[in-house]
Amino acid sequence: GAVVSQHPSWVICKSGTSVKIECRSLDFQATTMFWYRQFPKQSLMLMATSNEGSKATYEQGVEKDKFLINHASLTLSTLTVTSAHPEDSSFYICSAIDRGRADTQYFGPGTRLTVL
Amino acid sequence: AQTVTQSQPEMSVQEAETVTLSCTYDTSESDYYLFWYKQPPSRQMILVIRQEAYKQQNATENRFSVNFQKAAKSFSLKISDSQLGDAAMYFCAFHAYNTDKLIFGTGTRLQVFP
Repeated sequence: GAVVSQHPSWVICKSGTSVKIECRSLDFQATTMFWYRQFPKQSLMLMATSNEGSKATYEQGVEKDKFLINHASLTLSTLTVTSAHPEDSSFYICSAIDRGRADTQYFGPGTRLTVL
Repeated sequence: AQTVTQSQPEMSVQEAETVTLSCTYDTSESDYYLFWYKQPPSRQMILVIRQEAYKQQNATENRFSVNFQKAAKSFSLKISDSQLGDAAMYFCAFHAYNTDKLIFGTGTRLQVFP
C-alpha cells in the first residue's frame, strides 16, 4: 500500500516550452501533496505544498508563476514548469501524505527534467 | 527553527555486519514524528522506519531499528545483517504534529562491501 506514481519519469524539452509533471496517489486519498527539487548529491528542497481544492503554498524563493501547481482531485497533483530554461533542469519529486499511516509522506519515483 | 543534523556524510559496512547511522534534531515541539528514508541509485525515496515521539518503545522493521532518545534529541538507525541492497543514501527527517512539512537532514551515504 501507499504507492505514489509520477509521470513522466524523464523529459527533455526545448528552452521556452512548458512541461507538465503528474503525481498520483494510487491506493489512498491525499488531501496534501508536496513538490520537491533535488540537486545532485544533495537533500530534497521543498518547493511547495499542494492542497486539494485550494491554492498551493510556495516556499520562499520559489516562483509561483513559473512552477504552477494544481491539485484538482484527492489523488492527483500536477506541476507545470512554464517557459523552462536550462537552469530549471533538475530532478523533481512529489510526495503525498497518507493520513491513515501516521501522516507519513510517501514519495513518487521522481522526474528528471532536462531543458536544452 | 527546527533542524535535523546528520554528521556522517559517508559510512561503510561489511556485508552481514551491523552499522549505525546518526541523526540529531532540534525542536521546541513536544509532539512530532521522526523518519528514516532510503534513496538508492534509482532515486526513489523509500520509507525505512517511522517513530512517533510519544512512544517510548523504539521502532523496529525487520533488520532496521532505531535508538530514539527524546531528551537527547537523538534518532539513530541501526541496520543489522547488512546486505548489498542496503547501499543507498539515508535521510533522517522530522515533522511536528502541527505541520506537514518534512525537515530533512543532509543525508548519509552508506556503502556495503561484500
